[in-house]
Amino acid sequence: NAGVTQTPKFQVLKTGQSMTLQCAQDMNHEYMSWYRQDPGMGLRLIHYSVGAGITDQGEVPNGYNVSRSTTEDFPLRLLSAAPSQTSVYFCASSPDRGETQYFGPGTRLLVL
Amino acid sequence: SQQGEEDPQALSIQEGENATMNCSYKTSINNLQWYRQNSGRGLVHLILIRSNEREKHSGRLRVTLDTSKKSSSLLITASRAADTASYFCATDAGYGKLTFGQGTILTVHP
Repeated sequence: NAGVTQTPKFQVLKTGQSMTLQCAQDMNHEYMSWYRQDPGMGLRLIHYSVGAGITDQGEVPNGYNVSRSTTEDFPLRLLSAAPSQTSVYFCASSPDRGETQYFGPGTRLLVL
Repeated sequence: SQQGEEDPQALSIQEGENATMNCSYKTSINNLQWYRQNSGRGLVHLILIRSNEREKHSGRLRVTLDTSKKSSSLLITASRAADTASYFCATDAGYGKLTFGQGTILTVHP
């Protein structure tokens, strides 16, 4: 199993551009989530999904959009990138709510 | 908001010593999880302890949970240089939405 994979590993955007961060898992996990990590801080939840077709907001959802059309994939869309969105983004999955979460390697995003 | 607060923010010890990190939180939880993050890498799950448990062990790791004090501790015994990393506690209030603390940076000197 590849576990949780994320692409790209690194991306540079200009303010106002849009892009999609990809996340995929091959463990048949129902629960998936997106976090961002800023320097010297822990992770903050952006959006999460409890199954295909079901998504909800986390702590810092503004400026991001998600959808979950399949169990395997959970892409994160930046609608109009801003410098405040410069961060490292982690995707995670778990078999169910309240269980261990498995994290991807992260995507480092720089918005100029 | 950061529910979990780790203490200390940084810890420097010699190989072979024990390392203790503490985590405090504010609201009721379903479980508390500890993760390790090596520099520039993703998070690796260490231990999950549920609200009705008081202590769990995994190899050289020991986690305690005191729900009356809303606190948890992570003990790493006989530390190794490879244990050098950031350690985060994360609380789950029951919906699977983890709230992370700011982490403890552990440095183990050979």
